[in-house]
Amino acid sequence: AAGVIQSPRHLIKEKRETATLKCYPIPRHDTVYWYQQGPGQDPQFLISFYEKMQSDKGSIPDRFSAQQFSDYHSELNMSSLELGDSALYFCASSNSGSTDTQYFGPGTRLTVL
Amino acid sequence: QKEVEQNSGPLSVPEGAIASLNCTYSDRGSQSFFWYRQYSGKSPELIMFIYSNGDKEDGRFTAQLNKASQYVSLLIRDSQPSDSATYLCAVNGAGSYQLTFGKGTKLSVIP
Repeated sequence: AAGVIQSPRHLIKEKRETATLKCYPIPRHDTVYWYQQGPGQDPQFLISFYEKMQSDKGSIPDRFSAQQFSDYHSELNMSSLELGDSALYFCASSNSGSTDTQYFGPGTRLTVL
Repeated sequence: QKEVEQNSGPLSVPEGAIASLNCTYSDRGSQSFFWYRQYSGKSPELIMFIYSNGDKEDGRFTAQLNKASQYVSLLIRDSQPSDSATYLCAVNGAGSYQLTFGKGTKLSVIP
């Protein structure tokens, strides 16, 4: 079965640079979620989109923005990167018409130097 | 603030034994409850979800939910070394699909 696709899988950036993470949900899934997981931490919800509209907002810094496109893929844009932004970033998707079960992608490991 | 509490472990069980993982949550309006398994450096993998009070079984896994006690558990029967991972309890709240995770319980199954 098709899964959530994230790219890139690994990303290394310098402080104050920008980064863009991409997420392609499971086919026919209309909702996308972004989570950040720091070393030794549990995943923290950042933001979600349903039918291209922001549906929920968590602990997302103002330096970060995200959107969902007409093909349901989503991008997380991160600017003025800080050392503390180094983490695993997971995208998850769900089909609001069936259950709210979220399936996670493989993640993007962001390292800020 | 919504909270999800788990024993961090590590929980060590011998191969073939039953592993019991527990989770409590603070938001009484929570509707859906999930157990994810996460290997180090990998993404959370869905193991079970449960919405109603009682037990739900899927193969070697049984999820138990008690909304009155705000308690959810996961039993793993016939534990295998490949079950060694961190198990994350996740809950969503009333009117929200965002998941709040516990800090996870690290399970080690000893051959």
